[in-house]
Amino acid sequence: GAVVSQHPSWVICKSGTSVKIECRSLDFQATTMFWYRQFPKQSLMLMATSNEGSKATYEQGVEKDKFLINHASLTLSTLTVTSAHPEDSSFYICSVTGTASTGELFFGEGSRLTVL
Amino acid sequence: GQQLNQSPQSMFIQEGEDVSMNCTSSSIFNTWLWYKQDPGEGPVLLIALYKAGELTSNGRLTAQFGITRKDSFLNISASIPSDVGIYFCAGRYNFNKFYFGSGTKLNVKP
Repeated sequence: GAVVSQHPSWVICKSGTSVKIECRSLDFQATTMFWYRQFPKQSLMLMATSNEGSKATYEQGVEKDKFLINHASLTLSTLTVTSAHPEDSSFYICSVTGTASTGELFFGEGSRLTVL
Repeated sequence: GQQLNQSPQSMFIQEGEDVSMNCTSSSIFNTWLWYKQDPGEGPVLLIALYKAGELTSNGRLTAQFGITRKDSFLNISASIPSDVGIYFCAGRYNFNKFYFGSGTKLNVKP
């Protein structure tokens, strides 16, 4: 399956600052990447679908100005949490799909954001 | 939107016991996926199912794609302590739409 790497794996920042999380597809050219958010003891919540070379598609209730997504290349997508606040503290996970014929979803290791 | 009901929510079992968990959906899916997530890490794909009725194994894990395409189960045989974690099912209808169950937390007592 696809190898997906996220960086950083954890970050602590002050309220009001912006944080960028990178998601790299190491062995697969991902035209589509997904960004999920996971609260403790809960399932994954899809935030947005990131398409290479075009604007991301955000799920209902996700602020696109708050969570900036850029997918400039086939192997890299970034999520920037702008003007972070404590309620943005969460586990953020990216994923990529395999080939269209299999439709599997492969996840990165996740990034733990803590906003003080 | 589509709802995936996963059960049980949590399980406490003895090492060596078999485990079964399942997911049901209000709509049909074309693909069922089963994942395991360890604390602080991303989910890892265990088994992928593509056809109704399909039964697939991966070591001690066996999963089936329900014949109605609205359900799937995962069995773990002879559980060991490293099976501890949260197991998620996921269903796919369209290429870019995946739906996740709420997870089953598995605890294994040595």
